[in-house]
Formats: sequence, C-alpha cells, structure tokens
Amino acid sequence: AQSVAQPEDQVNVAEGNPLTVKCTYSVSGNPYLFWYVQYPNRGLQFLLKYITGDNLVKGSYGFEAEFNKSQTSFHLKKPSALVSDSALYFCAVRDRRRSQGNLIFGKGTKLSVKP
Amino acid sequence: EAEVAQSPRYKITEKSQAVAFWCDPISGHATLYWYRQILGQGPELLVQFQDESVVDDSQLPKDRFSAERLKGVDSTLKIQPAELGDSAMYLCASSRDINTGELFFGEGSRLTVL
Repeated sequence: AQSVAQPEDQVNVAEGNPLTVKCTYSVSGNPYLFWYVQYPNRGLQFLLKYITGDNLVKGSYGFEAEFNKSQTSFHLKKPSALVSDSALYFCAVRDRRRSQGNLIFGKGTKLSVKP
Repeated sequence: EAEVAQSPRYKITEKSQAVAFWCDPISGHATLYWYRQILGQGPELLVQFQDESVVDDSQLPKDRFSAERLKGVDSTLKIQPAELGDSAMYLCASSRDINTGELFFGEGSRLTVL
C-alpha cells in the first residue's frame, strides 16, 4: 500500500534561516512525488514535483526538494525562509505503475517562520 | 491564469439535510477529483473521474454520498443525509495528465454539520 509520512507536525524557523520540511514515502514501485502548500481556508497550491531525472527539483517561490531513493525521502528545502512562507505543507505520492492512480497525501506539516 | 471553480465556499447545514457541492475544472482537464480534508489532516480521495467515467470511488461512502460528471466537464458531489462527521473541507481538483500531471485545486467548500 502507498503511504506518505511527514514526521513533524510543526517546524519553526527564524526568518532568513534555511528550512527543511521532511517527507518519506512507501510505494511498491517508483514514485512520482509532489509538494503542495495550503494557506488558511484555501485550496492546495502546487509547489514542485519529481517525475524523473535530476534528483534535485526546483519549484515555486524558491523552494526545492531532493529525491533520495535509498532513503525513500523527498524533503522540501529553502535556503532563506520568509515570514510569508508560514503555511501548511503537504507531501504527496503516486505510484507510477498505477496508470490512473490518485495522489496520496501526508498529514501535513505546519511551517512557522518568525521575524 | 485558469482556476478550478468551486461553490459554495461555505455551507452550514443541520444533520439529516441534503447538501451539494459544484466544481468546474480547468478547461481541457479530463481528470477530476473530489477530496475530503478533515481539520488537521491531509486530503483523502473520495472519487476520481476520467471524462464522465468514474475511475476510483472505492473510498466514497455510497450509502450517503454520490458524485456525477455527466458531460465530462463540471461535477457535483452530493451528501444525503448529512451527518455530524461529514464536517470537513471538500476539495475539487483537476489534472491535464492523469499519470505525471500535478493536480490543480479549487478553493474548497467548507461544510459544517450541526
């Protein structure tokens, strides 16, 4: 069965410092991996995805994520956090063997960036 | 920039009443999803359409929930009768590529059942 784990309910970072939001996954085959951000009472916004190729993926708003197959991880990173980055972040996975599979989401990590 | 439209944004109803949510996906997106997001959790799939056909409704509580996408464009999700445990955000999403494509989400419909 496919699953996504986001081990931290909340991550606190000072503005200007680097941030990391962790994600590990479990799928039978090779995964497609995604990160989304959600602001209060809003829908989810796509940040970035890993399909194939370079393990380091760059996305919107200066975010990037690194696919690590041996550790089955896809951690979200940003070199310098902004207060406006404070939001809920979701990691999601799709098993590429399931040609019509939906996305399986983690439970989310709340990012709080303080001035 | 094209968006997924959902209505209503907020709905308050009493238990045992019927509720309906509407979604209009991005033009040209053949795949449409309804997700339910309970407060503090990630979205969970209720139903997935490819054009007008249901691809996956294995997690849809079919005794009270129904969904349709008659012309393969917009979609309606209905709950009848609503129960207290149905209080959640109902998210609609669409995708251009069912395999590799990211999902584009609407703003959601927040349901409160009293």
